[in-house]
Formats: sequence, structure tokens, C-alpha cells
Amino acid sequence: ELKVEQNPLFLSMQEGKNYTIYCNYSTTSDRLYWYRQDPGKSLESLFVLLSNGAVKQEGRLMASLDTKARLSTLHITAAVHDLSATYFCAVDIQGAQKLVFGQGTRLTINP
Amino acid sequence: ETGVTQTPRHLVMGMTNKKSLKCEQHLGHNAMYWYKQSAKKPLELMFVYNFKEQTENNSVPSRFSPECPNSSHLFLHLHTLQPEDSALYLCASSQESGGFNEQFFGPGTRLTVL
Repeated sequence: ELKVEQNPLFLSMQEGKNYTIYCNYSTTSDRLYWYRQDPGKSLESLFVLLSNGAVKQEGRLMASLDTKARLSTLHITAAVHDLSATYFCAVDIQGAQKLVFGQGTRLTINP
Repeated sequence: ETGVTQTPRHLVMGMTNKKSLKCEQHLGHNAMYWYKQSAKKPLELMFVYNFKEQTENNSVPSRFSPECPNSSHLFLHLHTLQPEDSALYLCASSQESGGFNEQFFGPGTRLTVL
């Protein structure tokens, strides 16, 4: 059974700082997704990573995938308050049209 | 309408009521999903439909009954629910293409069972 684990689960940081959220998964996959969820809202797709070494960047967020280590990272650069949200990674189960989600990382950025 | 829509957005029901949640996707996708999200647990996959056929049922209690009349519409029929069923119910759709399966989510239905 595929397991996806994120850490940390809760992160409180100050504006202007850098930090990284980690997503580990337990079985072979080369497709990983990052989503953002604001309180009371739905999930918004952020990044799609489809191969080993894939790196995507959007604004202050950068995601990468290392399929050999079964690890993805979401790096936040010079955080701003607007990035406060819960971030989920999800791993694609090959051959089955479904994703397995991590527990989510609740990120709070303080002024 | 664009993307994935869900109605109602909020629902309060008693344990003896019967209600239905509706999801519609306007993306031409071939797969649709129901998820449950509660405060105590991460996102839980409930059901998967692929070309209207149910391909996944994650040991969901029978008081939840899905229906997928076509590739664009998905329903979740609810009856004799329990208070612990109160949660945000999210619908998603996807189209497997080129080996990836990005899912697009609706806004969710916030369900409260009294």
C-alpha cells in the first residue's frame, strides 16, 4: 500500500524567511502533485512533477522531485503572508487512476 | 460554468434525513472522485468512477451511495448519517493523458449532521 508522508505537519514562520516542506512516499512513482488549500476552500493545483529531477517554480514557491529517493520538496522563498494555507502533496499510483494524498502541511506566515 | 461545480455548498441534515450531493464537471474528463475531508483525518478517497463505472470503493459505509449517470455528473446519496459524517465532501475529476492524472477539485459541500 502506498503511503505518503509530509513533514512538518504544522509550520509557523515569519515573513521574509525561507523554508522547505518535505513529502516522502513509499513506493515507486514518477508523478507527484502539489496542491494548496485555503481555510474552508477547495484544493487548487500548484505543480505537476512528472519525472526524476523535475523542478517547477511559481513565484516564491519551487517544487522538485527525486524519484530515486522517493522525495519531493516544496521550497518557500522569502515568505509572505498570502502564502499561508495548507499544502498537500499527492502521488500517482501507476496503472490506477487515483492519487494518494499526504496529511497536509498547515503553513502560517506571520508578519 | 467552468471547471468542477458542486451543490449544495452547505448542507445541514438530521440523522434520519435523505439528501444528495451533486457534482458536475465541465472539463471533458473521464474520471470522477468523491473525497471526505474532516478535521481529524487527511483527505480520504471514497469512490472512483472511470467512464461511469465504479473502480474504487474504499470501504465506505453503505449509508453513502454514489451514482454516476454519465461522465460529467456524479452524485452522493446520503441516508441515516451519523454526526461523525460531518465533513467537507470534495468532488474531483481527471483525464489520464500522457501518463499523468492531475485532479481538479470542486469547491466542496460542507455537511453537518445533527
